[in-house]
Amino acid sequence: DAGITQSPRHKVTETGTPVTLRCHQTENHRYMYWYRQDPGHGLRLIHYSYGVKDTDKGEVSDGYSVSRSKTEDFLLTLESATSSQTSVYFCAISDRDTEAFFGQGTRLTVV
Amino acid sequence: AQSVAQPEDQVNVAEGNPLTVKCTYSVSGNPYLFWYVQYPNRGLQFLLKYITGDNLVKGSYGFEAEFNKSQTSFHLKKPSALVSDSALYFCAVRDISGGGNKLTFGTGTQLKVEL
Repeated sequence: DAGITQSPRHKVTETGTPVTLRCHQTENHRYMYWYRQDPGHGLRLIHYSYGVKDTDKGEVSDGYSVSRSKTEDFLLTLESATSSQTSVYFCAISDRDTEAFFGQGTRLTVV
Repeated sequence: AQSVAQPEDQVNVAEGNPLTVKCTYSVSGNPYLFWYVQYPNRGLQFLLKYITGDNLVKGSYGFEAEFNKSQTSFHLKKPSALVSDSALYFCAVRDISGGGNKLTFGTGTQLKVEL
C-alpha cells in the first residue's frame, strides 16, 4: 500500500467525544488527503494538505479538522463525533502529477 | 464542478467473457481520469489513468480503458474476465484546482465474475 499506514484500523466511540485518526507515510509525498467512503456516495474528500501546515477543505469538511506538522503525518480530528460520521476513512498521498495511493482505511463507528 | 457517473451499481459476467464497466464524466477543460479497484476490507488500488494521448489506455491486471471525448466516457474493459476480478470499481476525475491530485469519485460498480 505504497508506504501508507493508518491508525487505528478500527474504532468505536461514543457520540460527542473527540476522535483523531492518523495517517503516516514513508514516501515523502507532498500531498495528503482524507476521504470518507459511504454506500451510495463513493469516496468524498474531507480535507487535503499541500505541504507542512498547508491544508484546505474538501467537499465534506464540516465537523472535521486536520493538522500536518511534518511531511509524513496527517491527522484527521472529529471534534465531537456524531452518528453521521460513522464511515470508513481513507488516507491518500500523491505528488503533484502522480496518481494517488491509498491506505487500508479506518472503520469508525459512532454509537 | 467536475463529476463522474457510474450508471450501473452491479455488473455480472461469466468467467472468460469480456467485461465493461461504464463511466461518464463532466469537467470543464481537459479531463484527467482514473480507475481504481477495491477488494473487500482493503484500500483502493490504482488501475490506470488517462491524461492525454492515445484513447486506449492499458493498465494493471490486463485492464484497459477507452477514452471517448465526444461521448464524455471512460469505460473500463477487459477481454477475458476472471473470478478474481470480482471487486468494487471506482472511476474518478481529477480536480486540477489547487494542485495535487484531489479526486471526485463515482459511486462505484460492483463487478461479479461467476464460473
